[in-house]
Amino acid sequence: AQSVTQLGSHVSVSEGALVLLRCNYSSSVPPYLFWYVQYPNQGLQLLLKYTSAATLVKGINGFEAEFKKSETSFHLTKPSAHMSDAAEYFCAVSDPWNGNTGKLIFGQGTTLQVKP
Amino acid sequence: EAGVTQFPSHSVIEKGQTVTLRCDPISGHDNLYWYRRVMGKEIKFLLHFVKESKQDESGMPNNRFLAERTGGTYSTLKVQPAELEDSGVYFCASSQDLTRTQETQYFGPGTRLLVL
Repeated sequence: AQSVTQLGSHVSVSEGALVLLRCNYSSSVPPYLFWYVQYPNQGLQLLLKYTSAATLVKGINGFEAEFKKSETSFHLTKPSAHMSDAAEYFCAVSDPWNGNTGKLIFGQGTTLQVKP
Repeated sequence: EAGVTQFPSHSVIEKGQTVTLRCDPISGHDNLYWYRRVMGKEIKFLLHFVKESKQDESGMPNNRFLAERTGGTYSTLKVQPAELEDSGVYFCASSQDLTRTQETQYFGPGTRLLVL
């Protein structure tokens, strides 16, 4: 069965520093990959998604992620953190090849803290 | 355009009581998903509707959970009788087109359920 691993439940960076949130998936066939963000008291919002087109995906708010098949990874990066980036980030996959209904399988989430 | 809405935002009930959660998807979205996040764990899929039909209910924990989507519009998720382990955040999401399994799912803010 598909699984998603997010390394680090909490990540702390200084404002202006690089943000790197890690995500690895388990699948021999590339799935569709998503990053969602949840701000306090809000629903999950899509940051970006990979659906077998370009391996470097650009999303909203300056975030991007690179799909690396050889590493089964889809890490999320942002060159310069802003205070408003403090939130919880979720990596998710869906499997398009096994009668999938679009359901998402999530990692455990990573809380990003941005220090002034 | 209104997003996915969920009601109530919070619910505190006693063990053994019944609770009904409601989700209104984005207008025109045929796909409706329920997910749950138990504290400290990942967000997990519960079930998926296509219009009024249950497409996949493989994630439903047990028969104390009943989901309906009469008329293919809003959905309800009833827990009867509630147990302590049912506490968590229940998310609803909707998407437009099942034939494109990479379709973005739009999430509601969630219902925070606490069973005492």
